[in-house]
Parts: sequence; structure tokens; C-alpha cells
Amino acid sequence: QQQVKQSPQSLIVQKGGISIINCAYENTAFDYFPWYQQFPGKGPALLIAIRPDVSEKKEGRFTISFNKSAKQFSLHIMDSQPGDSATYFCAASVSGTYKYIFGTGTRLKVLA
Amino acid sequence: EAQVTQNPRYLITVTGKKLTVTCSQNMNHEYMSWYRQDPGLGLRQIYYSMNVEVTDKGDVPEGYKVSRKEKRNFPLILESPSPNQTSLYFCASSLFAGGGAKNIQYFGAGTRLSVL
Repeated sequence: QQQVKQSPQSLIVQKGGISIINCAYENTAFDYFPWYQQFPGKGPALLIAIRPDVSEKKEGRFTISFNKSAKQFSLHIMDSQPGDSATYFCAASVSGTYKYIFGTGTRLKVLA
Repeated sequence: EAQVTQNPRYLITVTGKKLTVTCSQNMNHEYMSWYRQDPGLGLRQIYYSMNVEVTDKGDVPEGYKVSRKEKRNFPLILESPSPNQTSLYFCASSLFAGGGAKNIQYFGAGTRLSVL
């Protein structure tokens, strides 16, 4: 019930391509879904986040698509660049709590 | 500069020797949390705190203790470390809990702990 399942575990994309990472959850109490980006040797950093009252949120080249009925959400990175090479984590939380459940991470490599 | 500072960055210890990892934030945040990161398991929340003297368990609290006596500090204590606590640890803080346009969870740079 508390899990957030993330796929794929790793992803290789050509420069300029689209990177897609998927997450699925079970707990319908979750109402905040952030994505974090982590570079080697650094802590995770918030990339973009969405609440379930919208189906899509876009910030620059990064877009979250949210499907409430399927309990799935995904991160799309358009025009992927080598500088996007990092590990990406999805997460879920319940408003008013500080309890977070993270996915297992996706290691993205963008080839130049 | 807004930051979450963890110390030490690297620590090698032996089984059973008590240790403390410190965490401090300079953003006057209410909320603070500890996570451990393990390959293939992602980030798992150990403990979190909603304010001074208010803490609660995350998903993997066994073997850890925390305290929040001051707003800026949230130390992680391993009373009797064991090899299965070898991991990469992150402290984080937020102004608010849950979703919100301006809610950002800031992470420290991490503490890599090896328990022999």
C-alpha cells in the first residue's frame, strides 16, 4: 500500500531524444508527487512536482503527466541533453504530513 | 546561502560503537527528515520532525534515534551500529509539509557511513 514503483531502473537516450520515466502508486491518500534529480556525490534536488487535481505540469523541458484513475505518473524530459544524465526519483506524500515514499530511482544516461 | 549541512561526510566505524551524524539548516524550516539511500532501494525515510520536540517514525526507524531540541538541528544517532546500517544518509528540510507551489525539500550533501 505504501510503495511507489518506478521504472525503468536505467535508461539510455540519444541527445535530443525524449526520456520517459514511470511511477505507480497504490495509496490513494497520496496527494503530492514530486520528482527529484540527483547527480553523483550530491543530494537529491527537487525538479518538478504535481498535485492530482491536474493531469499535466510543464516546466521548461520537463513535464509530469498524471493519471489519477490509473494511479500512475510519469516524467518526460524533452530534447534530452548530456547534462540531464543523473538519477531521477519519483516520490509521493500526503499533505499535512512530512512522510515521503520514494521510488527506487532511474539512472539516466544521455549520449552526446 | 540556504543550505542543509551534514557532518561528517564520510565515516567508518565498527559494530557497536555509538555515533552521531549532525544536521543543521539555516532556513528556519519547521520540517526536517533523515533518509538512507541504498542501491536498488532508493531513498527510505528513517525519521522526521514537524517541529521542536516533535518527531515521528518513517519507514525504516529500527536502530536509529533522533532528537529535535533546536529548530535548526536534527542529529541522527546510531546507539549500536551494525553492518546493515552501512549506507548513504541524507538530511532534508522543508518550510511546509506536503504539496504546495513553494514547498521545496532541501537535501544535504550526504554522509557515507561504513560499519565494519
